Amino acid sequence: GAVVSQHPSWVICKSGTSVKIECRSLDFQATTMFWYRQFPKQSLMLMATSNEGSKATYEQGVEKDKFLINHASLTLSTLTVTSAHPEDSSFYICSATRDRGGGEQYFGPGTRLTVT
Amino acid sequence: AQSVTQLGSHVSVSEGALVLLRCNYSSSVPPYLFWYVQYPNQGLQLLLKYTSAATLVKGINGFEAEFKKSETSFHLTKPSAHMSDAAEYFCAVSADGGYQKVTFGIGTKLQVIP
Repeated sequence: GAVVSQHPSWVICKSGTSVKIECRSLDFQATTMFWYRQFPKQSLMLMATSNEGSKATYEQGVEKDKFLINHASLTLSTLTVTSAHPEDSSFYICSATRDRGGGEQYFGPGTRLTVT
Repeated sequence: AQSVTQLGSHVSVSEGALVLLRCNYSSSVPPYLFWYVQYPNQGLQLLLKYTSAATLVKGINGFEAEFKKSETSFHLTKPSAHMSDAAEYFCAVSADGGYQKVTFGIGTKLQVIP
C-alpha cells in the first residue's frame, strides 16, 4: 500500500506556456502533500506544502503565482507551472503523508519538465 | 531547525565490500531520521527510518543504520555491496516524523565496482 503516482512522467513545453502536473495517492487518503524540486545532481528542495481544502504554504523564495498548487481532494494535488521558462526545467517530485500513518512521506516517481 | 550533512558526495566500493554512507544531523528537538534511495529518473524510496524506538534500525535490501546521539550521527551501512545498490542515497531529518517539513541532505552517489 501507500502508492503515489505522478502524471505525466515527463513533459516538454514551449517557453511561455503553462504545464500541470498531477500527484495522486492511489490507495490512501493524503491529508498533506508536498512538492519538491530537484536540480541535476542536487538534493530535493521543498517548494510547498499543501493540505486538502486549504491554501498551500510556500517555502521562502518560491513564487506562489508561478507555481500554483491545488489540493482539491484527499487523493489529488496539482502543481501548475505558469508561463514556464527554461530555468523552470527540473525534476518535480511530490510526496504525501497518510492520515494517522506514522509520519512517513510516500514519494511519487517524479516528473521531468523541459522548457524549450 | 533541522539539518543534515552527508559526508562524501561520491562513494565507490567494490562488489561484496562494506558500504558505509555517513550522515550527521543537527536538530533542536529529538529528531526523526530517514534514509532514502533514488535510482536515475525515479522518485525516492524509503530505506529505513529512526523514530526513537530502537537505535539500530534495519531497513530494506539489507541496509541498516545506527542512531548515535552522542555523535549526532545516523550512518547507513550494508555488509556486502551488490551492483544493484548503485544509486543516490539521501539522509533526511524531520522534527515531527515527516508530517511536516523534511530536510534532505545533498545526497551521496554510490558506485559499485564489479
